[in-house]
Amino acid sequence: KNQVEQSPQSLIILEGKNCTLQCNYTVSPFSNLRWYKQDTGRGPVSLTIMTFSENTKSNGRYTATLDADTKQSSLHITASQLSDSASYICVVSRGSNYKLTFGKGTLLTVNP
Amino acid sequence: DTAVSQTPKYLVTQMGNDKSIKCEQNLGHDTMYWYKQDSKKFLKIMFSYNNKELIINETVPNRFSPKSPDKAHLNLHINSLELGDSAVYFCASSPFDRGENSPLHFGNGTRLTVT
Repeated sequence: KNQVEQSPQSLIILEGKNCTLQCNYTVSPFSNLRWYKQDTGRGPVSLTIMTFSENTKSNGRYTATLDADTKQSSLHITASQLSDSASYICVVSRGSNYKLTFGKGTLLTVNP
Repeated sequence: DTAVSQTPKYLVTQMGNDKSIKCEQNLGHDTMYWYKQDSKKFLKIMFSYNNKELIINETVPNRFSPKSPDKAHLNLHINSLELGDSAVYFCASSPFDRGENSPLHFGNGTRLTVT
């Protein structure tokens, strides 16, 4: 069964701290892995897309890693800001935008 | 100048009613989608259209009928609404010619509550 599991389910950190979110997947075949940020009441916004051959990709203070052998990915957020408070969703593609498996998301709260 | 816009943002209605949600994208994308985000927060694809043609129709009740008058619009009509239809519905779009690695661009969702 194609599944994407994320941990932790929720996380609270202080502004300025770093954090790492985890994503494990059992999706096959694998095409790419995406991280999205979803603010409350808004639609998801793409942060990164990584293919099989990429093991790290950055977007500003966001750095995603991918280990296709262990089927794990992480999203590292550096020097967190209040605006980073959101749900972060891991998504795995099976070869097209019609074949995406979404994780449930990690709810991150950044407190001042 | 929102890239993918949906209306309305909130929709409260009674069981048995028929309602529509509109979606428009100004990104010039060829492909549009409807997703449902249920109470467990998982996003699941419902429909996908490419250049006004239906590409994918997941196991969605036929009470749900998408309509694409042109490639910039994909509306969702729901007949005989049921309590279980309560969810947040997201419209999205992506460029077809950039292949599978092109990200989806989502609207801000329509929260449907059926009472």
